[in-house]
Amino acid sequence: GENVEQHPSTLSVQEGDSAVIKCTYSDSASNYFPWYKQELGKGPQLIIDIRSNVGEKKDQRIAVTLNKTAKHFSLHITETQPEDSAVYFCAASIYYGGSQGNLIFGKGTKLSVKP
Amino acid sequence: NAGVTQTPKFQVLKTGQSMTLQCAQDMNHEYMSWYRQDPGMGLRLIHYSVGAGITDQGEVPNGYNVSRSTTEDFPLRLLSAAPSQTSVYFCASSYQGLAGPSTDTQYFGPGTRLTVL
Repeated sequence: GENVEQHPSTLSVQEGDSAVIKCTYSDSASNYFPWYKQELGKGPQLIIDIRSNVGEKKDQRIAVTLNKTAKHFSLHITETQPEDSAVYFCAASIYYGGSQGNLIFGKGTKLSVKP
Repeated sequence: NAGVTQTPKFQVLKTGQSMTLQCAQDMNHEYMSWYRQDPGMGLRLIHYSVGAGITDQGEVPNGYNVSRSTTEDFPLRLLSAAPSQTSVYFCASSYQGLAGPSTDTQYFGPGTRLTVL
């Protein structure tokens, strides 16, 4: 089955710097890759996702890149702000037909943005 | 819309007790799932359902039962709680149908923090 590795487990940056979180997956059939942000005491919230027919996707300060050949994808946050501090999870899923397959999550990255 | 709701928010059980974690969604989503979150382990899928009357096992199903009698509700049952089931439990849902990939975002509830003594 699918296995998702996520690095680093913790990341500390200064406000205004960029942050990069990387994930690798094992199943070449995986074709849907969401990223979730989890704030303390809350459930994960989708912040961006990418499908295997796209190499990069941007949404304001957040971008995700996908390298299908190497089977890895990355989250990029630019101009970080203290409110970006949270735990970030990557996930991989096989998307078939009109449905979303089950998600396999990485173990998470705790991002701390220092003012 | 209330989205995905979970009750209770906190629960303490003794070993061997049983309980049901409730999950409901008002978005008419066909797909619902339960995850557990443990420190350093990420989220692991327990059970999932692709529609009313259909359930299947995920990565860590042992010790848990589910049923799906309606589209809206997907309860998770612990028949005989064990300390290893101490965790935070999240329910999630997403649309599964013909509308296309843009509607397949999985929405998570706020979680239930369970402690088994």
